[in-house]
Amino acid sequence: DAMVIQNPRYQVTQFGKPVTLSCSQTLNHNVMYWYQQKSSQAPKLLFHYYDKDFNNEADTPDNFQSRRPNTSFCFLDIRSPGLGDAAMYLCATSRPQGSGGSIDTQYFGPGTRLTVL
Amino acid sequence: QKEVEQDPGPLSVPEGAIVSLNCTYSNSAFQYFMWYRQYSRKGPELLMYTYSSGNKEDGRFTAQVDKSSKYISLFIRDSQPSDSATYLCAANSGGSNYKLTFGKGTLLTVNP
Repeated sequence: DAMVIQNPRYQVTQFGKPVTLSCSQTLNHNVMYWYQQKSSQAPKLLFHYYDKDFNNEADTPDNFQSRRPNTSFCFLDIRSPGLGDAAMYLCATSRPQGSGGSIDTQYFGPGTRLTVL
Repeated sequence: QKEVEQDPGPLSVPEGAIVSLNCTYSNSAFQYFMWYRQYSRKGPELLMYTYSSGNKEDGRFTAQVDKSSKYISLFIRDSQPSDSATYLCAANSGGSNYKLTFGKGTLLTVNP
């Protein structure tokens, strides 16, 4: 089945120790997103790639970086995790349909729950 | 003011009840409205969507949008324990703006 896969599902890191989360997709979608979701909060968009074009949200800290080496894979790098970065990190993909009533459905992966000690 | 507001609940109902989940939004440019369901420790999955105003029905679920009042609703009939999850509303304006704006989500528990 076509899907969005995230690895690992659970990640524990130490304060200040770099960590990389990965996302892969078999949907061949050209847009990939990274969201941060804290308990009882809405997913917060960190950045997204439209093909190879990187789009950073204005309020995303510099501590968060991303790489997309090819269509299928996207990585989230947290250079120096702080206690406040503990959250669920969600990867999503979509293929924008343009206007006229066609929805840009975003498909989410299962998420990676990050714990910072 | 956040662009999409949603009462986080929690909401607890008995099995078989009719559930009403609601959001309001402030951006008049929004045209696409979605409901995502998120089970505990899982990613959100798209449940239903509507384009502009109107109703859409899918089995026990009905999504309703009233653009004049900027109000989004999801109704669940004959609720089941398996419906227990967080329900997130989301919206975007479509076209070149494909990013979603989410509400905080409402935690629903359906008790057997």
